[in-house]
Amino acid sequence: DSGVTQTPKHLITATGQRVTLRCSPRSGDLSVYWYQQSLDQGLQFLIQYYNGEERAKGNILERFSAQQFPDLHSELNLSSLELGDSALYFCASSVDRVYTDTQYFGPGTRLTVL
Amino acid sequence: AQSVAQPEDQVNVAEGNPLTVKCTYSVSGNPYLFWYVQYPNRGLQFLLKYITGDNLVKGSYGFEAEFNKSQTSFHLKKPSALVSDSALYFCAVRASFMFSGGYNKLIFGAGTRLAVHP
Repeated sequence: DSGVTQTPKHLITATGQRVTLRCSPRSGDLSVYWYQQSLDQGLQFLIQYYNGEERAKGNILERFSAQQFPDLHSELNLSSLELGDSALYFCASSVDRVYTDTQYFGPGTRLTVL
Repeated sequence: AQSVAQPEDQVNVAEGNPLTVKCTYSVSGNPYLFWYVQYPNRGLQFLLKYITGDNLVKGSYGFEAEFNKSQTSFHLKKPSALVSDSALYFCAVRASFMFSGGYNKLIFGAGTRLAVHP
């Protein structure tokens, strides 16, 4: 168990809908990262938040957004969902005091868009 | 551009034999390299990382990895494979601060499926 929690574990929804994925980082970790794992794209970095502020953006669609709250938990919002958004979404966290910190991953949320 | 290559989709090995999962990388500046393992229906588990120093890095569950700067490789190894090692293995790289604009994102390889047969 990495100490990173994600809810829900599974999410099934329809095209055009909006969902929210939640992540709680390890105790003491200030950075939260979101990754998407799909069969065709592999593991792709989406976005990073550090202590409530957006720090880096990767291959994140405009339909997707995220935020990190004062208690450091993070939410990834996916809207106008398409079939191709079906994937496993991982959250990771790190202390981020030094650049070489290890990112620890949560169990993921499996999103299925029908 | 930064990239990671895992040239083998699948590696098959008999239990008790040594295993190697290959990884090569391309990055500007000093590389920071990681190995993660993913078991079915589970998240990624951290195995080990290379930051600096000794080229042979020891990690969890008896795994180790050898950093080779001249060959830009970071192969994962284990002297004696177990059936329970069967999983999906990911190599990842994070570029040094200067060349990545301060990003801490990880660039992952496509993954290598390790199958250990009894």
